[in-house]
Amino acid sequence: KAGVTQTPRYLIKTRGQQVTLSCSPISGHRSVSWYQQTPGQGLQFLFEYFSETQRNKGNFPGRFSGRQFSNSRSEMNVSTLELGDSALYLCASSPAGTRDEQFFGPGTRLTVL
Amino acid sequence: TQLLEQSPQFLSIQEGENLTVYCNSSSVFSSLQWYRQEPGEGPVLLVTVVTGGEVKKLKRLTFQFGDARKDSSLHITAAQPGDTGLYLCAGAGIQGAQKLVFGQGTRLTINP
Repeated sequence: KAGVTQTPRYLIKTRGQQVTLSCSPISGHRSVSWYQQTPGQGLQFLFEYFSETQRNKGNFPGRFSGRQFSNSRSEMNVSTLELGDSALYLCASSPAGTRDEQFFGPGTRLTVL
Repeated sequence: TQLLEQSPQFLSIQEGENLTVYCNSSSVFSSLQWYRQEPGEGPVLLVTVVTGGEVKKLKRLTFQFGDARKDSSLHITAAQPGDTGLYLCAGAGIQGAQKLVFGQGTRLTINP
């Protein structure tokens, strides 16, 4: 089985712009979660989607949003980028349920200038 | 406030030595997972512990879940350079909380 894929792998944007990141989960996995990883804060949960519905949400501002499509692929969007949004954004999929192990993609490295 | 505290944050030791990484919380978890992350990659699941007092072994790695399901440890015997990486613990199942809560991680370097 192919693993979780994320595109693009690297992205450079400037403050005020918006960005869309994409994630394709492992085939058959219906849950997709997004995380932000920074050296200072570590891995922080953004949100989780299951069957096209947001099931859980972390403590991030409304500039961070996401969606899931019928084929379980997911996108996350960050609007009005700030310097502090520079981070590694990780997508993880799991088969189902609320406590399944997470299978992570390689991440998208976002740099905001 | 970190729900899961990992210690130490950084550890650099010589090949062949033993080490233990700790993951502590004041909260009870239904399960706890350990991941390893290497540069340029996402975290990879190593093990999940579910029962209080549970011990799991993965070659030279031994994982233990505390009796009260609030803490866990990872012990590596005879560390090798290939063990180098960021080790993350993650707790699941806190009532009303997000899906997984991650610790800050322990950055381990094994010197040949």
